[in-house]
Amino acid sequence: KAGVTQTPRYLIKTRGQQVTLSCSPISGHRSVSWYQQTPGQGLQFLFEYFSETQRNKGNFPGRFSGRQFSNSRSEMNVSTLELGDSALYLCASSAGVRLTEAFFGQGTRLTVV
Amino acid sequence: AQTVTQSQPEMSVQEAETVTLSCTYDTSESDYYLFWYKQPPSRQMILVIRQEAYKQQNATENRFSVNFQKAAKSFSLKISDSQLGDAAMYFCAYRGPNAGNMLTFGGGTRLMVKP
Repeated sequence: KAGVTQTPRYLIKTRGQQVTLSCSPISGHRSVSWYQQTPGQGLQFLFEYFSETQRNKGNFPGRFSGRQFSNSRSEMNVSTLELGDSALYLCASSAGVRLTEAFFGQGTRLTVV
Repeated sequence: AQTVTQSQPEMSVQEAETVTLSCTYDTSESDYYLFWYKQPPSRQMILVIRQEAYKQQNATENRFSVNFQKAAKSFSLKISDSQLGDAAMYFCAYRGPNAGNMLTFGGGTRLMVKP
């Protein structure tokens, strides 16, 4: 069974640009969550999608957005990039609504210069 | 808002010895879930162990066990017979009863294993 796949693995962008990250969950999983990991702020929840609907949202500015497609694949978009957006972005997929294990991808390392 | 605190930024253990990583959390909920995740240099988060708050029995997974003290809001991880492959960042995480799959993480503890 394939794991959670995040693409690309590494990305370098210039301040002011926008970026789109992709996450393909484990087959059959309907929930996808996104996290930002930085040395200063640690792991912070961005948002969760379940069956194409945003179910939870963290405390991030509107420049951070996401969506989920009918095949459960999810994309995360960051517009007007700032230097502080440099981080490891992790995606996690889960099978259902109640307690199920969250499986993480290897992340996308975004560097904003 | 729920908070998770890991007071030990770094820990060191001798191979084959036992080490305990600490975690405390704050919540007003009675039904919730707690997790320990391991993040090796590959960056992929791996679930080590989980605990449902309604279960009084402490969870165990092979060499990993927890000491769950609900009243004290404490959730420590004990690693027995430490191995070199256990070296990683360890994160404690909380999930509320109505939070979907949203996890609140602690700041992490870097575990070093000495041969």
